Amino acid sequence: QVQLVQSGAEVKKPGASVKVSCKASDFTFGPTSTFPTFGINWVRQAPGQGLEWLGWISAYNANANSPETVQDRVTLTIDISTTTAYMELRNLTSDDTAIYYCARGEVETADFDSWGQGTLVTVSS
Amino acid sequence: QSVLTQPPAVSAAPGQKVTISCSGSGSNIEINHVSWYRHLPGTAPKLLMSHTNKRPSGIPDRFSGSKTGTSATLAITGLQTGDEADYYCGTWDSSLSSVVFGGGTKLTVL
Repeated sequence: QVQLVQSGAEVKKPGASVKVSCKASDFTFGPTSTFPTFGINWVRQAPGQGLEWLGWISAYNANANSPETVQDRVTLTIDISTTTAYMELRNLTSDDTAIYYCARGEVETADFDSWGQGTLVTVSS
Repeated sequence: QSVLTQPPAVSAAPGQKVTISCSGSGSNIEINHVSWYRHLPGTAPKLLMSHTNKRPSGIPDRFSGSKTGTSATLAITGLQTGDEADYYCGTWDSSLSSVVFGGGTKLTVL
């Protein structure tokens, strides 16, 4: 059973950046991965809002894709040696205050079978 | 404004059946699989239905999924008070090259 453990809550000022980590267990990253079509998605939920997809990064070769809404502010990376995925969001505004989740899933699907516990990011002056 | 449209809320009595609709378009639901999630505040969403109508291990057969054209439906039979939660549909949008979600439906078991 894949487990994803995320980093702790963050408080940031407007204009700053935040980097959230997602440590995977029982899920191999890199060329030896037995699931080459799987990767890590990032999803957020702002207060009182629905789910918003922020992007996907391949655990196999680190190819990444993000929606146009955040594409110029988000960077997705992985560390193969530690099986950890990272999501960095820059130029934060109060609209970025949300719970951020990582979740495992295949490319170009919304089937996310394992989720992290969530990381609260608060943007406030 | 979500790409997929869900009713904001549905309700039914214990033991009854409820359906939650998810309306999309030709670039998403019509040509791609639909996923359904159950979400309780303070917890991570849980995958209820994958590939439109496949239940992951541990999900009871009270839950079923279907799709016709540009719309998908999640049906829950034998409602229990423990089914109260927010339910989201999601799919890949081939025009946007993005995963898209519905706005969520709050299920109340009266």
